[in-house]
Amino acid sequence: GENVEQHPSTLSVQEGDSAVIKCTYSDSASNYFPWYKQELGKRPQLIIDIRSNVGEKKDQRIAVTLNKTAKHFSLHITETQPEDSAVYFCAASRGRRNNDMRFGAGTRLTVKP
Amino acid sequence: KAGVTQTPRYLIKTRGQQVTLSCSPISGHRSVSWYQQTPGQGLQFLFEYFSETQRNKGNFPGRFSGRQFSNSRSEMNVSTLELGDSALYLCASSPVTGLESYEQYFGPGTRLTVT
Repeated sequence: GENVEQHPSTLSVQEGDSAVIKCTYSDSASNYFPWYKQELGKRPQLIIDIRSNVGEKKDQRIAVTLNKTAKHFSLHITETQPEDSAVYFCAASRGRRNNDMRFGAGTRLTVKP
Repeated sequence: KAGVTQTPRYLIKTRGQQVTLSCSPISGHRSVSWYQQTPGQGLQFLFEYFSETQRNKGNFPGRFSGRQFSNSRSEMNVSTLELGDSALYLCASSPVTGLESYEQYFGPGTRLTVT
């Protein structure tokens, strides 16, 4: 089955700096790659996603890149703010006919004011 | 639209008992997936239901089962509870069709504690 690895497990940055989280996946049939943000005691919230027919997607300060050949994708957060502090999860699935989403272990991001 | 809801929010059970958790998806969403979240294992996929059928299954023992009703509401059941089953159980719904067909939206979770 799919295996998703996520690095780093913890990341601490100064406010205003950029943060990058990287994930790799093993199943070449995976074609959907979402990123979730989970604040303490809350549900995971979808923040951005990318499908395998796209190499990059951006939404304001957040961007995701996908390299299908190398089977890795990354989350980039620019101009970080203290409210960006949370645990971020990457995931991979084979799409709407196979919602067997597999998650990375998570990255605890701390943005210091 | 109302979000995904889960009941109960908290549950305390004893080893050997069984438990049933409920999930109501976003209106119009036809797929419901269940996940177990623990500090040590992270978010692990349990199973996914679509049109009352289990479409995908993760690597969990047969003590974990589920079902989906014709209104897309889903339940999961854990029998013969073990201490290691203590976790946050999350369900997520997905429309399956349309432009957002791939997206999954999570409920608040049910915190299960097994003593």
